[in-house]
Amino acid sequence: KQEVTQIPAALSVPEGENLVLNCSFTDSAIYNLQWFRQDPGKGLTSLLLIQSSQREQTSGRLNASLDKSSGRSTLYIAASQPGDSATYLCAAPSGANSGYALNFGKGTSLLVTP
Amino acid sequence: ETGVTQTPRHLVMGMTNKKSLKCEQHLGHNAMYWYKQSAKKPLELMFVYSLEERVENNSVPSRFSPECPNSSHLFLHLHTLQPEDSALYLCASSQALMGAQYFGPGTRLTVL
Repeated sequence: KQEVTQIPAALSVPEGENLVLNCSFTDSAIYNLQWFRQDPGKGLTSLLLIQSSQREQTSGRLNASLDKSSGRSTLYIAASQPGDSATYLCAAPSGANSGYALNFGKGTSLLVTP
Repeated sequence: ETGVTQTPRHLVMGMTNKKSLKCEQHLGHNAMYWYKQSAKKPLELMFVYSLEERVENNSVPSRFSPECPNSSHLFLHLHTLQPEDSALYLCASSQALMGAQYFGPGTRLTVL
C-alpha cells in the first residue's frame, strides 16, 4: 500500500518568507501526484498536479517538484502571505494499477504571521 | 452552481437513523469519489465510480451504501452508524480515472 509522509507537520513563518513543504511516498510507480490546500472545516482545493513524466509544475507563487526515483515531492511557496495559512496535503496514487486511488499524507499545517 | 457541491453541509444523526449524503458535480466529469476524513487521520478513500460503475470499494462497512445514478450525481446512504463514523465526508470528481481530482466542501457528520 502506498504510504505518504509529510514533513514538517506544522510550520509557522513570518510574512514574506519563502518556504518548502516536503512529501515522500513509498511506491514510485505512480501516474501523477497532486497537492491540495485545505482551510479549517472546509473541503480540498487542488493546487497542482504533476504527471509522472514531469519534473515540476508551477502556478503563481507555487512550484511543485517530483522526483519519482527518490519517492519525493516538494511544494515551494514564494513570498508567503497570511492568506496562505492552511493545511497543505500531498496525495499519491496507489501505484500504476490503481492510479485513481489517492493516498494522502497527514498534511503540513502552515501559519503565516503578518 | 459550479464545481462540486455537497448537501447537507452538516448532519447530526442517531445510531438508528437512516440518512443520505448528496454530491453533485457540474464539471462534466466521468469519475466520482467518496472520502472520509477523521480527526488526526489522513483522508481515506471509500468508493470510486467511473461512468456510473463502482470500481473501488475500499473495505468499507456495509452500513455505508453508495449510489451513482448518473455521472453528475453521487449519494452515500447511511444506516445504523456508529459514533466512530463521525467525520467529514468529502466527495470528489475527475475527468477520468487518474485525472486531477476536484473536491466538494464536505458534509460534517456527527453520530450520537
